[in-house]
Amino acid sequence: KAGVTQTPRYLIKTRGQQVTLSCSPISGHRSVSWYQQTPGQGLQFLFEYFSETQRNKGNFPGRFSGRQFSNSRSEMNVSTLELGDSALYLCASSPVGAGNTEAFFGQGTRLTVV
Amino acid sequence: QQQVKQSPQSLIVQKGGISIINCAYENTAFDYFPWYQQFPGKGPALLIAIRPDVSEKKEGRFTISFNKSAKQFSLHIMDSQPGDSATYFCAATNAGNMLTFGGGTRLMVKP
Repeated sequence: KAGVTQTPRYLIKTRGQQVTLSCSPISGHRSVSWYQQTPGQGLQFLFEYFSETQRNKGNFPGRFSGRQFSNSRSEMNVSTLELGDSALYLCASSPVGAGNTEAFFGQGTRLTVV
Repeated sequence: QQQVKQSPQSLIVQKGGISIINCAYENTAFDYFPWYQQFPGKGPALLIAIRPDVSEKKEGRFTISFNKSAKQFSLHIMDSQPGDSATYFCAATNAGNMLTFGGGTRLMVKP
């Protein structure tokens, strides 16, 4: 089975621009979550999507948004980029099932805001 | 209430030694506690996980010890190898794929 695929791997954007990151989950996984990883704040939960609906949301400003498509692929968008948004953005997918919360991560998208 | 505190931040162990990483949580609603291993340039990889109804889980050289009353859990890596050198994260959740992570421990195993 192919793992979680994130594209692109690297991005450089300018302050004020917006960016869209993509995540293809493991086949059969319907839950997709996004995390931001920085040296200062560590790994922080952004949001989770399940069956095209946002199920949980972390403590991030409204500039961070996401969506999930019917094939479970997910995108996250960051508008009006700030220097502090520079981070590794990780996507994780999970299989569906009561109590099954194994999360498998992709390699991430490294976003640099200049 | 959502914090998970991890210690130490860094750890140096000799090859063949035991690496021990500790985590403490506050939210008693957490019901799933995974550990992740991350190598530079890679995403975190699930190593081992435990639920609060058991006090210990072992998979190969990796063991989780769980103390529900103290709200603490720890990862023990037996016979540590240089290839184990990585950053380790504990995490906790009570809501599906919404993980709360500890701050991470950078482990170096010296040959």
